[in-house]
Amino acid sequence: KNEVEQSPQNLTAQEGEFITINCSYSVGISALHWLQQHPGGGIVSLFMLSSGKKKHGRLIATINIQEKHSSLHITASHPRDSAVYICAVRLGGSQGNLIFGKGTKLSVKP
Amino acid sequence: KAGVTQTPRYLIKTRGQQVTLSCSPISGHRSVSWYQQTPGQGLQFLFEYFSETQRNKGNFPGRFSGRQFSNSRSEMNVSTLELGDSALYLCASSLNFVTDTQYFGPGTRLTVL
Repeated sequence: KNEVEQSPQNLTAQEGEFITINCSYSVGISALHWLQQHPGGGIVSLFMLSSGKKKHGRLIATINIQEKHSSLHITASHPRDSAVYICAVRLGGSQGNLIFGKGTKLSVKP
Repeated sequence: KAGVTQTPRYLIKTRGQQVTLSCSPISGHRSVSWYQQTPGQGLQFLFEYFSETQRNKGNFPGRFSGRQFSNSRSEMNVSTLELGDSALYLCASSLNFVTDTQYFGPGTRLTVL
């Protein structure tokens, strides 16, 4: 079993829909990252969370440390949101390595 | 402020050769991290440097090595290349790798023939 699991793997939505991408992890962490990767490879860091909730524009990220679960929400989705969204966790303790989920491929249709 | 730059952007090598990739972080950033991305394995963490010291290392063989210079620029080296090393190699910089947002470079696409 992977230490970081994302769901769904693929997601197709209509423009304007509310989207949720989930990330569950099985290890102790010090922080969780949400990344966005557009076709062509460029990666943008969206959020870094260690507790609670963060909002940036139409994007909202939440984390529940007790349940080892995080969600990324996109409100009023737009075709330009089409990308792969990747969850990554930074291990707690002295090791501190980053472990990545396999990503969720989102396609928003006009 | 200029973003993270990586050179070269594309590279073709043959098995057994070695390769050096370079990463120049955003000015003022002291942390540089390296990642490998392949279609099969996705993104995997290689190593992380802060102020010229390797802070963390992923689960890769010793053929993969790196270093960071006093100006925060970083290089990674892969010796005795294998076909499976074909990948997109990404670096990211941040002020502090523990608490700060990472800014990614465009990557170096390495093809091993």
